[in-house]
Amino acid sequence: DAGVTQSPTHLIKTRGQHVTLRCSPISGHKSVSWYQQVLGQGPQFIFQYYEKEERGRGNFPDRFSARQFPNYSSELNVNALLLGDSALYLCASSSQGTTNEKLFFGSGTQLSVL
Amino acid sequence: SQKIEQNSEALNIQEGKTATLTCNYTNYSPAYLQWYRQDPGRGPVFLLLIRENEKEKRKERLKVTFDTTLKQSLFHITASQPADSATYLCALLSSGGSYIPTFGRGTSLIVHP
Repeated sequence: DAGVTQSPTHLIKTRGQHVTLRCSPISGHKSVSWYQQVLGQGPQFIFQYYEKEERGRGNFPDRFSARQFPNYSSELNVNALLLGDSALYLCASSSQGTTNEKLFFGSGTQLSVL
Repeated sequence: SQKIEQNSEALNIQEGKTATLTCNYTNYSPAYLQWYRQDPGRGPVFLLLIRENEKEKRKERLKVTFDTTLKQSLFHITASQPADSATYLCALLSSGGSYIPTFGRGTSLIVHP
């Protein structure tokens, strides 16, 4: 079975632009969550979706939004990009609902904002 | 405020030795604690989960201990190999936090042949 897949792998944007990142969970996993990882830091939680509903939101501005589709894939949208949004964006899926006992991460999307 | 501390300095050890990594936390009541491995440019890979009522967990060459009194978890890799070189992250999850993992910054392990 394929693991968690994310696209694109790399992205370069300029300040003020908008970006959409995509994630396909492992087949059968209904929970998807998004994390931002800045170099040298651990992943920081952005959103969790389960059964197409938002189940958690981290301390990120409203410029960040996400959604989950009927096939459980997910999109993360970031508007009005800032230099500080440059990071590795990780998607994780789980088969255990929202208890997150075991997360499977994708390889991430490396976003650079110039 | 809640805080998770992992050694920011890299841990350098010789092949064959046991590597021990530390995760300390404050102002947190975790239901369970996870350890992940992360290679450069890749996403974290789940290794082990230990619950608050468990003292120790083992998986092959890996061992995790969890002391809720000391607020500390130790992660051991026995008979370490150069292929074990990576960054190791701990994450804490609690019911009060809706089981959203809070990650430490990770410790880099370098195993020298």
